[in-house]
Order: sequence, then structure tokens, then C-alpha cells
Amino acid sequence: DGGITQSPKYLFRKEGQNVTLSCEQNLNHDAMYWYRQDPGQGLRLIYYSQIVNDFQKGDIAEGYSVSREKKESFPLTVTSAQKNPTAFYLCASSAPGQGGTEAFFGQGTRLTVV
Amino acid sequence: GQNIDQPTEMTATEGAIVQINCTYQTSGFNGLFWYQQHAGEAPTFLSYNVLDGLEEKGRFSSFFSRSKGYSYLLLKELQMKDSASYLCAVRPGQSNYQLIWGAGTKLIIKP
Repeated sequence: DGGITQSPKYLFRKEGQNVTLSCEQNLNHDAMYWYRQDPGQGLRLIYYSQIVNDFQKGDIAEGYSVSREKKESFPLTVTSAQKNPTAFYLCASSAPGQGGTEAFFGQGTRLTVV
Repeated sequence: GQNIDQPTEMTATEGAIVQINCTYQTSGFNGLFWYQQHAGEAPTFLSYNVLDGLEEKGRFSSFFSRSKGYSYLLLKELQMKDSASYLCAVRPGQSNYQLIWGAGTKLIIKP
């Protein structure tokens, strides 16, 4: 079945460590996104990519990095520079075009700094 | 600034009807989305509005008024499985890839 897969579902990180969250899609979508979700707040865009080998900073890119070497994959690295990384991270993808092109989301990764 | 307002939490009874409101103030407008998100899970798409009026999809309907900067999601014949958060998001029009998200409305269904 087509979909978008994030792994792991739960991730624990020690302070000062970098961690990488995986996101893979087989929907043949050009656009992919990373969002952060915190309690009581709307989703906030970290990075997005419209096409392979290209990506753009979102609203809260500091302390994060991404790559888009393959259409199917858009991994997110949470670096030690991110001051408050504990959150629920959601990856999404969408087909190109305007209008009601909805995003499809992965199941999320809950990152906890210990 | 850009802002989307939704009630934080609502409670309704199984079998009843509930309306979840969303108001927005954005620099532009190119569509409004509603998503459903069960706790700890992925948001799933419910509806898209860009023209004024009501869009009906089974038990769920979404109404939109561009002049009022307002939308609501109407859920009928509520079921326990409808207990979830409902997220409103607006595409401001600056980029097809940008969405402004509300904080979501947590809907609690009681028997």
C-alpha cells in the first residue's frame, strides 16, 4: 500500500547528541515536509522540499538539518544546537499543484531528551 | 501577524451534532483545510474549502466564508471514534507549500 513511513516511533536522546529521524514515502510525491507539534500549539514547519536535492527552511529551522538525496526519502537531523528538542515530529508529503492538494502524514516520531 | 483561532476543547454526546469553529487572519488566502488527528497518530485529511459555502462528506461537513474569515466543521451522528483533535489550516497564498495551522480542537465524546 502507498503511504508515508516514519521511524522510529519513539526516540530518546541524551543532551548533546545528534539524532536522525527517518521519513520514507512511496506515493511518488515531489514535496515533503517536516513539522514539529507541541501541546497547545499548531504544527510548525521545520523544513520542506519541493524536489530532490532542494530544500527550504521553514519557520523554526534552527537546530535542525535535512537532506533530499532521493525522492522517497527526507530524513531530519535534530542537532545538539536545538535547545528544546522534546516534541512530536511529523513528516508529510504532497503532490505538486495548487488548490486542494492535501498533505499525507506519517505516524510521527516522539523524541524525548533525557 | 498570521493567526488561526479554534476552541481548545469541546465535549459532546454520542449521537449528537457538534460544530467546531475556525477563524483566521492571514496575509493572503488560497484554501482552508480540516484534518482529524487521534492522539499520538498522524493527522488525516477531512476537507478543503476555497469557495464560500458548504461541503458535505457523509457525517462530516465543512462551511466556509471568505468575507468573514471563518469556517466550521460540522460532525453529525457522533460516534465514540470521533473523539480526536480537529486541526484547521490555511494556505496563505504566498507559497503552495506553506500552511498556517491552528492549535487544534480536542473533541471529547461522552456516551
